[in-house]
Amino acid sequence: SQQGEEDPQALSIQEGENATMNCSYKTSINNLQWYRQNSGRGLVHLILIRSNEREKHSGRLRVTLDTSKKSSSLLITASRAADTASYFCATDADAGGTSYGKLTFGQGTILTVHP
Amino acid sequence: ETGVTQTPRHLVMGMTNKKSLKCEQHLGHNAMYWYKQSAKKPLELMFVYSLEERVENNSVPSRFSPECPNSSHLFLHLHTLQPEDSALYLCASSQDRSSSYNEQFFGPGTRLTVL
Repeated sequence: SQQGEEDPQALSIQEGENATMNCSYKTSINNLQWYRQNSGRGLVHLILIRSNEREKHSGRLRVTLDTSKKSSSLLITASRAADTASYFCATDADAGGTSYGKLTFGQGTILTVHP
Repeated sequence: ETGVTQTPRHLVMGMTNKKSLKCEQHLGHNAMYWYKQSAKKPLELMFVYSLEERVENNSVPSRFSPECPNSSHLFLHLHTLQPEDSALYLCASSQDRSSSYNEQFFGPGTRLTVL
């Protein structure tokens, strides 16, 4: 299976609800990143969490990282219709404390937020 | 929006055509990347350039030929493509390939259709 697998593959919620997406990976990482992609467009970086961090916040986003389980979660609180997009986690493999400069992406979670 | 531009945004070409995709970043970054995004597949890294030197060629067929004349510009030259090469081609840049914070900034992509 792929490094950086998201779960669920698709998520449909009502505006105002929280959305939680999970990501699992296989190898040691330097950091893990979450990106958003609106249909047919480029990816937008949301948040980066380093391997020695356990939780990070940015606005309505909360990311957790559990390196012992090789997993991460992205929580979007108080979702809005504008949050409708695909969300990808990407792992940056560990090269002795720095980066190989090579992100490995999962297949993504398609989030639909209904007004 | 992201400081990375790509042209053209859409391209339709026959299998015998030769065309080029262009990417330009206005962020002063040192590393640039080409990715391929096909339906139902994870984002695939194709090439990585660091300070205009190719540092990664991810087993990409020779019908795809990258060129990086300077740290702001990246091209992908296409010739004798196959219909299965139809995909969204994304360019990205980052400050430094080996940084511990390898956040990547993506362009909007070129939607390529090979007939």
